Order: sequence, then structure tokens, then C-alpha cells
Amino acid sequence: QKEVEQNSGPLSVPEGAIASLNCTYSDRVSQSFFWYRQYSGKSPELIMSIYSNGDKEDGRFTAQLNKASQYVSLLIRDSQPSDSATYLCAPRDTGRRALTFGSGTRLQVQP
Amino acid sequence: DGGITQSPKYLFRKEGQNVTLSCEQNLNHDAMYWYRQDPGQGLRLIYYSQIVNDFQKGDIAEGYSVSREKKESFPLTVTSAQKNPTAFYLCASSMGLRAGGLTNEQFFGPGTRLTVL
Repeated sequence: QKEVEQNSGPLSVPEGAIASLNCTYSDRVSQSFFWYRQYSGKSPELIMSIYSNGDKEDGRFTAQLNKASQYVSLLIRDSQPSDSATYLCAPRDTGRRALTFGSGTRLQVQP
Repeated sequence: DGGITQSPKYLFRKEGQNVTLSCEQNLNHDAMYWYRQDPGQGLRLIYYSQIVNDFQKGDIAEGYSVSREKKESFPLTVTSAQKNPTAFYLCASSMGLRAGGLTNEQFFGPGTRLTVL
């Protein structure tokens, strides 16, 4: 079974700092990668997708992908207390055309 | 409003009962998915369907069944054979094959919390 590894955290950062969330995956042929944010008791919300090596920026969020290293990350600039949530990394399983989810990293932004 | 709805929000099941969780979408998506989430864990794929009248088992299909008779609907039945069904159940949909080879952005419904009494 394909695996997705994330540090469970909690990752604690002060308000205004940069939060860095990391993810490694085992499926070498994955081409699409997604980051979801999940608040406690709620369903996941898609925040970023990335398909090519390099960086992709969207507002305060930057996704970084390195397919050779099988590594994808999410940077959150100017972190806010409202960013406190669990962040799930999800590469696309090319065989099944479904997503494989990591167990998530819990982020705490301290006011 | 376009979106994915799940019902009920909370469901209580007695031992030995089958229960059915509803999932409906009006996004005109071809693909639909069911996941299970246990406390502190990620999402595990139960079943998925890329097209009407077709579905495949995911990683933890034992004790569950699905149907896909309509594009908009993908109900999940939790049978008495599922020994530990207490969990948060999430339904998702995506454009599927029509979206091309790379993209598979999935959007989630609000979820159903199932508790076994």
C-alpha cells in the first residue's frame, strides 16, 4: 500500500511567523498533490494543489514539490490563529485515480 | 447552492444493525468517494466510483457496501459485519475522468458521525 508520511505535531508557531509543513510519499508515479485543512470536528477543505516541480503560491500559502525526492511541503506566511488546524497531505494514486491521505500535521498558531 | 450533502449528521447504531449513510452532490461530478476517519488519524478509502453503475473497493471495504445508480448519489451501507464502525464518515466528489489525466481535486461533504451503542 502506498504511504504518505507527515509529522503529527503539534507544530507550534507564533502569530506572524512562517509555518512549514512537510510530507513524503512512496508512490513514485504520483503527478498531483493536494493540501487540505481540517478544523477540529469538521470535514477537510482543499487549500492548495500542485502538479509540477517547484513552487506554487496562492496568497499566504506556498506549496513546494520535489518529485525526485518524493517530497511536498506547504508554507504558511504571516500565520494567524485562525490557521490553527490539521493539515493533510494527499498525493493522487495514479492507479486508482483516488487520493491517499497522510495522517496530518496539527498546527497551533500562538497569539 | 452547489455542493455535497451528507445525512444524517449524527447516527447511532445498535449492535447487529445495518445503517445507510446518504451522500448527494449537485456539482455534476462523475467520481464519488467514501472515506473513514478515526480520531487522530488520516482518511482511509472505503469505496470509490468513477462513473455511474460502477464502483471499486478501497483499502478498508470489508463490512461496507455501496451503490451508484444515479450520478448524484452514492449511499454507503455499514453492515453488521463491520466490527468497529464508530468513526467519522466523509463523502467526496471530483470531476473524475473528464478532468483529464492530472487533476483530481476532491471536495468533501460535512460528514456523518456514526456511533455504535
